[in-house]
Amino acid sequence: NAGVTQTPKFRILKIGQSMTLQCTQDMNHNYMYWYRQDPGMGLKLIYYSVGAGITDKGEVPNGYNVSRSTTEDFPLRLELAAPSQTSVYFCASTPTDRSSYEQYFGPGTRLTVT
Amino acid sequence: RKEVEQDPGPFNVPEGATVAFNCTYSNSASQSFFWYRQDCRKEPKLLMSVYSSGNEDGRFTAQLNRASQYISLLIRDSKLSDSATYLCVVNDMRFGAGTRLTVKP
Repeated sequence: NAGVTQTPKFRILKIGQSMTLQCTQDMNHNYMYWYRQDPGMGLKLIYYSVGAGITDKGEVPNGYNVSRSTTEDFPLRLELAAPSQTSVYFCASTPTDRSSYEQYFGPGTRLTVT
Repeated sequence: RKEVEQDPGPFNVPEGATVAFNCTYSNSASQSFFWYRQDCRKEPKLLMSVYSSGNEDGRFTAQLNRASQYISLLIRDSKLSDSATYLCVVNDMRFGAGTRLTVKP
């Protein structure tokens, strides 16, 4: 299993541009999450999903959108990028039956908005 | 008050030292607690879950105090490889800001 994969690894955006951060997991996990981590800070939850077709806002959803059309994929969309969205973005998933609450993280996407 | 607060650190300790981190949480109804480890520029990885009765994994001991609403992580006989940031997590999705540990020779 590849686990949780994220693309791209790095990206530089200009203010006002849009992009989609991709996240895929091959562990058949229903629960998936998007976090951002600013320098020296913990992770802040942006959006999460408990299964295909179901998404919910986290602590910091403004400026982002998500979709969950399949169990495997959970893309994060940035519209009209702003410098405040410069951060490292992590995607994570947890097992479907919640036998373990461990979150499996992808390697992250480092985004700079200038 | 933040939902999850941690000792800010950084903690700089010599090899072999014992070091302890605390993490307080504001929601008294919280049910699940974890410690994650994050190496520099890497993703977080689960270190251990925290159970009501406390639990130990080798040199690491985690404890939960519901009355005072905090969890703790104790690392005994610190190794150079323990240098990392330790994140406490409450209710799956609420992360503390992390405590940075550097173990020096």
